[in-house]
Amino acid sequence: ETGVTQSPTHLIKTRGQQVTLRCSSQSGHNTVSWYQQALGQGPQFIFQYYREEENGRGNFPPRFSGLQFPNYSSELNVNALELDDSALYLCASSPPLGSGYGYTFGSGTRLTVV
Amino acid sequence: GEDVEQSLFLSVREGDSSVINCTYTDSSSTYLYWYKQEPGAGLQLLTYIFSNMDMKQDQRLTVLLNKKDKHLSLRIADTQTGDSAIYFCAETHQAGTALIFGKGTTLSVSS
Repeated sequence: ETGVTQSPTHLIKTRGQQVTLRCSSQSGHNTVSWYQQALGQGPQFIFQYYREEENGRGNFPPRFSGLQFPNYSSELNVNALELDDSALYLCASSPPLGSGYGYTFGSGTRLTVV
Repeated sequence: GEDVEQSLFLSVREGDSSVINCTYTDSSSTYLYWYKQEPGAGLQLLTYIFSNMDMKQDQRLTVLLNKKDKHLSLRIADTQTGDSAIYFCAETHQAGTALIFGKGTTLSVSS
């Protein structure tokens, strides 16, 4: 079974630009969550997608948005990038409720904003 | 609000046991997890425990939960140099919802 894959692995953007990060969920998983991990910190929940709709959101501004596709893959979009958006962005997928309790994380996308 | 706290650093010698501690504030926490993160990598799920349990053992890993004190610990027996990593405690009150993470404990194992 394939795990969670994220692309790209590294990215450098300029302040004010827009970025799209991509995630393919683990086979059999229908829910995708995105987390931001700043250097030296634990991951912070951005939002979660289930059945192609946002199903929970953390304390992040609207310039952080996302999509989920029918094959359960997902995108994270960030507009008007700020220097503080520099972080490791982690995608996690989880199985349908009642069929497991684990969240499988991808290796992340390292975003640097200059 | 919800909060998860961990000690930031632990140093042990190879072959010793390691104990990483975590406290949480959300009394409705139902699922508690331990994740491992190696340098430059994502998070690897090590183990999890339900709030109606007080102990779970999985090979070298033992998780203890004191629900009254909202205290969780991860014991690694016979610690190896390959166990050097950052260990995150996380909780959620409902399966499939947002995980709340601590800041992580850096485990350093010396030979």
